Amino acid sequence: DTEVTQTPKHLVMGMTNKKSLKCEQHMGHRAMYWYKQKAKKPPELMFVYSYEKLSINESVPSRFSPECPNSSLLNLHLHALQPEDSALYLCASGNYNEQFFGPGTRLTVL
Amino acid sequence: SQQGEEDPQALSIQEGENATMNCSYKTSINNLQWYRQNSGRGLVHLILIRSNEREKHSGRLRVTLDTSKKSSSLLITASRAADTASYFCATPDGYQKVTFGIGTKLQVIP
Repeated sequence: DTEVTQTPKHLVMGMTNKKSLKCEQHMGHRAMYWYKQKAKKPPELMFVYSYEKLSINESVPSRFSPECPNSSLLNLHLHALQPEDSALYLCASGNYNEQFFGPGTRLTVL
Repeated sequence: SQQGEEDPQALSIQEGENATMNCSYKTSINNLQWYRQNSGRGLVHLILIRSNEREKHSGRLRVTLDTSKKSSSLLITASRAADTASYFCATPDGYQKVTFGIGTKLQVIP
């Protein structure tokens, strides 16, 4: 199974809502990633988990809270987001030689 | 961190023509990767070329790497409408992550 799945595909939330994005992979990869991508821009790294531990946080605001419950799952908890946080959120697994991406969650913050 | 810069940023060609896009980077690398992203979707790893390789082929893709000029090119031969996508080069940044270039948006007109 070479697929990374993400749910939901689309999410609309208000600035006071709490929501979570979910990501799952069954390729046995020990590193998992969250990226944020704005329109016409490349993906920007947010977090890296390695062996279920947070290893890189690219100075992401605390309103984004990652969680890695086990080696196959990665969550991104969202709270008190701003309209400028609207973007495509991509999950990936793999390593620095090759990453496998999920289809992304299109997030709109109203 | 280093970041690739693709050239051109947008390219429109007729089906059957070849498409060439270039990537420049700033510091020494172990490898360089190319990814494709269909509109609003996740990225797909296309090919990796190592720093000791000068050229690599995969199907209709040909990648070159010139470490002296810190540049790489991706050639797609006999393009198809299905090749319409954004193409990103990516370079490792440390041992846990990659940094993506700004991308080339390719449109193949049937």
